[in-house]
Amino acid sequence: QQKVQQSPESLIVPEGGMASLNCTSSDRNVDYFWWYRQHSGKSPKMLMSIFSNGEKEEGRFTVHLNKASLHTSLHIRDSQPSDSALYLCAASHNTNTGKLTFGDGTVLTVKP
Amino acid sequence: EAAVTQSPRNKVTVTGGNVTLSCRQTNSHNYMYWYRQDTGHGLRLIHYSYGAGNLQIGDVPDGYKATRTTQEDFFLLLELASPSQTSLYFCASSDHWGYAEQFFGPGTRLTVL
Repeated sequence: QQKVQQSPESLIVPEGGMASLNCTSSDRNVDYFWWYRQHSGKSPKMLMSIFSNGEKEEGRFTVHLNKASLHTSLHIRDSQPSDSALYLCAASHNTNTGKLTFGDGTVLTVKP
Repeated sequence: EAAVTQSPRNKVTVTGGNVTLSCRQTNSHNYMYWYRQDTGHGLRLIHYSYGAGNLQIGDVPDGYKATRTTQEDFFLLLELASPSQTSLYFCASSDHWGYAEQFFGPGTRLTVL
């Protein structure tokens, strides 16, 4: 069964700082990586997805993917207190029925 | 944005009790999923479906049944609830497999005493 490992488990950054979160899959057949964000007491919402090697930027958020090592990372620059949340990484295949496998998440706290 | 609703939002039952959690999506998505979320774990897939009458087994199916009655409605059944099933349950839907975003409902918090 595929495993998705995230690190660190928790992270504290100062307001305005850079947060870097990591995620690796153990399944060599993974095609897609996803980052979901879940604020306290809320449901997860997709933040970014990445399907190809390289980098993708959306505002303050940048995602990297290295398919050879099955590693993705999420970087948040100019972190804001509103970015404090649980960040969940997920991976899926191209060949099944959309099943996502989630990691256990990284809890990000941005201190004012 | 996809609309996914769940009911009830909170439920308390006793060990051995019968519980049905309901999920409805109104965006004509084919795929629906049931997850549980526990402290220290991400989301773990219980069951999923890619259409009315279809059911697929997820990663943690023991003690759960599910039924997809229509494209919109997906139910999770706990026929003999146990304290280990105390958890936060999320339903989600997507319109394609693999590369499509999943949209989550607000969750149901279930407590089994």
